[in-house]
Amino acid sequence: AQSVTQPDIHITVSEGASLELRCNYSYGATPYLFWYVQSPGQGLQLLLKYFSGDTLVQGIKGFEAEFKRSQSSFNLRKPSVHWSDAAEYFCAVAMFGNEKLTFGTGTRLTIIP
Amino acid sequence: DVKVTQSSRYLVKRTGEKVFLECVQDMDHENMFWYRQDPGLGLRLIYFSYDVKMKEKGDIPEGYSVSREKKERFSLILESASTNQTSMYLCASLSWASGPGELFFGEGSRLTVL
Repeated sequence: AQSVTQPDIHITVSEGASLELRCNYSYGATPYLFWYVQSPGQGLQLLLKYFSGDTLVQGIKGFEAEFKRSQSSFNLRKPSVHWSDAAEYFCAVAMFGNEKLTFGTGTRLTIIP
Repeated sequence: DVKVTQSSRYLVKRTGEKVFLECVQDMDHENMFWYRQDPGLGLRLIYFSYDVKMKEKGDIPEGYSVSREKKERFSLILESASTNQTSMYLCASLSWASGPGELFFGEGSRLTVL
């Protein structure tokens, strides 16, 4: 069965530190890959997406993600986090020709001063 | 600016009541979705619609129905609310203009069933 795994439920980092959020998928072929962010009390917003080509993709708010086919991973990174990055982050996948996205269970990010 | 609007941010209902959650998008998108969000479970798809009057079941359709009479409006209906339907409900619409999967979300409707 197709699945998306975010192994970290909650991560705490200091402001200014680097960040990496993990996402692994299990699909028969390479899916389309996405990261969404949900700030407190808000809906989800697309951070970045990968369809094909360059495996390192840049997104909004200074985030980037790297697709690694050999590891079936699409990890989200940021070199230096800001207090405003505190939110919940969701990895999602979709297959070509299928409008439905499957979401991971999310990672809650806490930023400490 | 694109917008998905959910009519109610917070609702409190009693067990057995019929509940309507309304969602309107102003982007002329064909595809609209209803997700349910619960802690530790992420987002789970309840129903989606790819055109007016068309609908398909998602992963957890039991206890829910939907209506799409106009392109811009997608309603989620709980025929007889139960306490296990207490949750955050998120509506989304989909654009293929810049590739698949760019969902635009509303701010959510938090439903409490007593």
